[in-house]
Amino acid sequence: EIVLTQSPVTLSLSPGERATLSCRASQSVSSAYFAWYQQKPGRAPRVLIYGASTRATGIPARFSGSGSGTDFTLTINRLEPEDVAMYYCHHYVSSQGFTFGPGTKVTI
Amino acid sequence: QLQLQESGPGLVKPSETLSLTCSVSGGSIINNDYYWGWIRQSPRKGLEWVASVQHTGYTFINPSLKGRVTMSVDTSKNKFSLSLTSVTDADTAIYFCASQFCTGSCYFDYWGQGAHFTVSS
Repeated sequence: EIVLTQSPVTLSLSPGERATLSCRASQSVSSAYFAWYQQKPGRAPRVLIYGASTRATGIPARFSGSGSGTDFTLTINRLEPEDVAMYYCHHYVSSQGFTFGPGTKVTI
Repeated sequence: QLQLQESGPGLVKPSETLSLTCSVSGGSIINNDYYWGWIRQSPRKGLEWVASVQHTGYTFINPSLKGRVTMSVDTSKNKFSLSLTSVTDADTAIYFCASQFCTGSCYFDYWGQGAHFTVSS
C-alpha cells in the first residue's frame, strides 16, 4: 500500500515569501497520476496541479509543481493572503485507488 | 463548467445504511473521460476516497470499504449514488461528490460543496 507523507505539517510565512511544500510517497509512483489540492476552511478541495507539474485551469502561475518517483514538491511563489489554506497531495494507482496525504497548513 | 450537488439524510443510526445522491449539471454524466466519485473528510482520517463509478456502471471502490459500498448511476437524471451499509461512528464525515477526469492523468476537477453526515443513535 502506497502511503503519502507531507511536510511540514504547518508552514507560517510572510506575504511575498516562497512556500515549499513536500510530499513523499512510500514507494515510487507515476507522476502522471500525482496531483495537489488546495482547501480553504468550509470549502471543498480545489485541484491546483495534476500530472505532478501541470497547472489546472484558472490556477495562478505562482503555483508550480515538480518531482518524480517518491518526492514531489508544490511551490507557491510570492505568497498572498488568499493562499492561506490546507494543501494536500494525491495519487492514484489502480491497485488501491486514490490516496491523499495528511496535508500541510499554510498560514500568514 | 460542471456543478455537483450532494443530497441525503444528515443523520443515520449505527448499523443502518447511508444513501447519498449527487446531481450533476453543466454537462452530461455520459462522458468516457470521466468517472464520478465520492470522497469523505473527517478529523480522524482526513481526506479519504470512497468509490467511483463510470456512466457504464463500472465501479471501483476503496479496498478498505469493499463489501459495504455500492455505487449506481442514473443517466436519465444525470445523477449518481452511493450506498454505505452497516455504518458506525467511523463513517461520520463530510461527504463530497466530485467529477474525476481520467485521461492521461487522473484527478478530481469539480467538487460538490459537501454534505455532513453523522452516525448516531
